[in-house]
Amino acid sequence: DTGVSQNPRHKITKRGQNVTFRCDPISEHNRLYWYRQTLGQGPEFLTYFQNEAQLEKSRLLSDRFSAERPKGSFSTLEIQRTEQGDSAMYLCASSQTSGGPTDTQYFGPGTRLTVL
Amino acid sequence: KQEVTQIPAALSVPEGENLVLNCSFTDSAIYNLQWFRQDPGKGLTSLLLIQSSQREQTSGRLNASLDKSSGRSTLYIAASQPGDSATYLCAVLILTGGGNKLTFGTGTQLKVEL
Repeated sequence: DTGVSQNPRHKITKRGQNVTFRCDPISEHNRLYWYRQTLGQGPEFLTYFQNEAQLEKSRLLSDRFSAERPKGSFSTLEIQRTEQGDSAMYLCASSQTSGGPTDTQYFGPGTRLTVL
Repeated sequence: KQEVTQIPAALSVPEGENLVLNCSFTDSAIYNLQWFRQDPGKGLTSLLLIQSSQREQTSGRLNASLDKSSGRSTLYIAASQPGDSATYLCAVLILTGGGNKLTFGTGTQLKVEL
């Protein structure tokens, strides 16, 4: 495994359906991040895990969104009752803490969600 | 709230030209600044990371500078090539409750023409 992987790469769903995305970080990376990127914008932070603990959630993460990292390895991001405004690229990143705030985040290819 | 702005939003240059992309941020309390490249429909590739104590970093034809006190960074690309065509994003790293998060600009879309 040489990088962060995300599945699926593309997801088309109808409004009101639930969707789940998966992120597999670089092996032994203890930090995992989720970002959302809409067309023409930079990525926006959604949430962050250190090992299995979810340490911060953005106010962008409404109660329809839930993220887990049950064993401190892969993570899932679920969106319930999807809305057209949820259409975006969902990016995952991972990093290995080195005892300071300067660890580089490595990004996956993203999952593009289209809500019809 | 940290805000990151990138100018210009789009840039088209002929092959071989040297160019500068600009990034500004409102809160100078950053820990580092990164420049990323994003190809259409793809994820992000980290190009350069500058620690808050550093002034610049170089990698090949790329040079990034940081003036933390004025809230500015530039990415200099020398001798541009068509393969450099992509969106370039800058992001600043701030600490949040024991963790960290990146705040991104909206990007500069670069096109290098033959």
